[in-house]
Amino acid sequence: GDSVTQMEGPVTLSEEAFLTINCTYTATGYPSLFWYVQYPGEGLQLLLKATKADDKGSNKGFEATYRKETTSFHLEKGSVQVSDSAVYFCARNQAGTALIFGKGTTLSVSS
Amino acid sequence: GAGVSQTPSNKVTEKGKYVELRCDPISGHTALYWYRQSLGQGPEFLIYFQGTGAADDSGLPNDRFFAVRPEGSVSTLKIQRTERGDSAVYLCASSLGGRKNNEQFFGPGTRLTVL
Repeated sequence: GDSVTQMEGPVTLSEEAFLTINCTYTATGYPSLFWYVQYPGEGLQLLLKATKADDKGSNKGFEATYRKETTSFHLEKGSVQVSDSAVYFCARNQAGTALIFGKGTTLSVSS
Repeated sequence: GAGVSQTPSNKVTEKGKYVELRCDPISGHTALYWYRQSLGQGPEFLIYFQGTGAADDSGLPNDRFFAVRPEGSVSTLKIQRTERGDSAVYLCASSLGGRKNNEQFFGPGTRLTVL
């Protein structure tokens, strides 16, 4: 069935380091793709999204590009901050249906 | 404006008991979703409502789980004869609905512990 696979964590970085969290998906058709973030003690928040091939979603310095040819939606940030420490979830859906999430990747940034 | 709210925030119950979890979506959102998140995992889909009807309940694990949304707004997830394996955070999300309005907004969740 359709699924989302993201790199396992935890990912531990120093402040200002470059971040990549890999995400690949399987799906029939053309799903929308999302990155959600869960900060400690808070609920899931949408970080960014892309709805069609070659779209780039961006927010708070994070970016991800919808790559249909490699079925990927990798999350990147050029310079992470301590406040970026959280759990990041890659997800996909199609046309208003339920989201399918990856298992999540824990990011820990130290100063 | 108000976001998605869920009550209670925590629920501790004993094995075999019945529980109800409530979700109040964002006003005007016609689509409502329930998910379950176990420790160290991503949320897993349970059921999706469009208006008052369940458009997709394929994620409900068995017939002990049931959800309603009688007036197309508030939804209640009901779990009968709870088991220890039901312990998880139950998340509710809502969206405007439709093919293009598919951004889902999540509530803070209800942490269910079955002893």
